[in-house]
Amino acid sequence: GQQLNQSPQSMFIQEGEDVSMNCTSSSIFNTWLWYKQDPGEGPVLLIALYKAGELTSNGRLTAQFGITRKDSFLNISASIPSDVGIYFCAGQRGAAGNKLTFGGGTRVLVKP
Amino acid sequence: EAGVAQSPRYKIIEKRQSVAFWCNPISGHATLYWYQQILGQGPKLLIQFQNNGVVDDSQLPKDRFSAERLKGVDSTLKIQPAKLEDSAVYLCASSLVVPGTYNEQFFGPGTRLTVL
Repeated sequence: GQQLNQSPQSMFIQEGEDVSMNCTSSSIFNTWLWYKQDPGEGPVLLIALYKAGELTSNGRLTAQFGITRKDSFLNISASIPSDVGIYFCAGQRGAAGNKLTFGGGTRVLVKP
Repeated sequence: EAGVAQSPRYKIIEKRQSVAFWCNPISGHATLYWYQQILGQGPKLLIQFQNNGVVDDSQLPKDRFSAERLKGVDSTLKIQPAKLEDSAVYLCASSLVVPGTYNEQFFGPGTRLTVL
């Protein structure tokens, strides 16, 4: 089936650092989404991208929809401790209501 | 506005037993989804309902999993009999249906199932 490959699988951040993660697919998606999941909670939508090449920001978060429609990246600027969690990309192929395919997640941890 | 409610939050059973999970979506959301999230992986869609009809159940293991949404509101997901590999978090999500746009899925906190 379809797979979304996220990298890195995990990363350590220090407060104030910028972090980046990306997501690639062998298939084209028409919508790319980025979610954050905290322990014991469901995923929460951070950013939705609808057009190839689109660059969208939400506070300190910036995400881009790749031109080929097969990839996307997420940047977090000036990280803070509450940025810790698991970030998932998800792709949607067709019209509204179609199922989401999720990546395996990037676990963001704080440097000891 | 109340979010998606799920119960129980945790369940421990032995293999070959049966188990059921309950989901109450956000009021007015016609579409309801059940996802399975195995530890260390992203959520995987099991079944999608619109009102009380099934839209997609292509990844539901129908020999042991069943789901219903009889009145188009609450939903239950059942596993019978459970296997060790069913240990996972079961997430419920809901969304509006607005044609021509992406409809954000709102997730509940999930039910963590452990099969021993």
